[in-house]
Amino acid sequence: GQNIDQPTEMTATEGAIVQINCTYQTSGFNGLFWYQQHAGEAPTFLSYNVLDGLEEKGRFSSFLSRSKGYSYLLLKELQMKDSASYLCAVTSGGSYIPTFGRGTSLIVHP
Amino acid sequence: DTEVTQTPKHLVMGMTNKKSLKCEQHMGHRAMYWYKQKAKKPPELMFVYSYEKLSINESVPSRFSPECPNSSLLNLHLHALQPEDSALYLCASSQDRQGWGYEQYFGPGTRLTVT
Repeated sequence: GQNIDQPTEMTATEGAIVQINCTYQTSGFNGLFWYQQHAGEAPTFLSYNVLDGLEEKGRFSSFLSRSKGYSYLLLKELQMKDSASYLCAVTSGGSYIPTFGRGTSLIVHP
Repeated sequence: DTEVTQTPKHLVMGMTNKKSLKCEQHMGHRAMYWYKQKAKKPPELMFVYSYEKLSINESVPSRFSPECPNSSLLNLHLHALQPEDSALYLCASSQDRQGWGYEQYFGPGTRLTVT
């Protein structure tokens, strides 16, 4: 089976930087996704990591360390619209079907 | 077109009703999924279709019946639901392989209320 852990909730200030961590335990790791989900809406894809290191995409970056079973999503220059749930999801064992973590609810305040 | 559409957006049904949720994608994705999501929880996988065949059923009660009429359409037939089945039902699609560019695309969901 897979075990994926994320903090339940985080708060941050507009304009700041926040790092959302995700740890996982799985056999045969393939890749890790980050999705953003605003309340009552569908999840939308943010990033995909398969190799160790940092992937940067505008204000959002995602990091992966396969040896540590660890990833983080870094959000810079936070905006109020970044208030959402951030879901970490892992594929493993040759399957293309991701397993989702419980999600981290990020609250950005002025 | 990178859109997954779902109808209806909202549905209220009684416990004796029969209704259907519909999902459509035109991205040529061969894997399609149904998820159930309760408030403040992650999406919970229900069914996966691969090449129009049911490949995964996560021990979902038989009052939920999926159907994949063709490679673009996915239905979820509902019958004799319980109030605890009230949730957001999400459809998603993806390529049936892993790697770059093979992320899931989600529809906007159907907000279901069972009375």
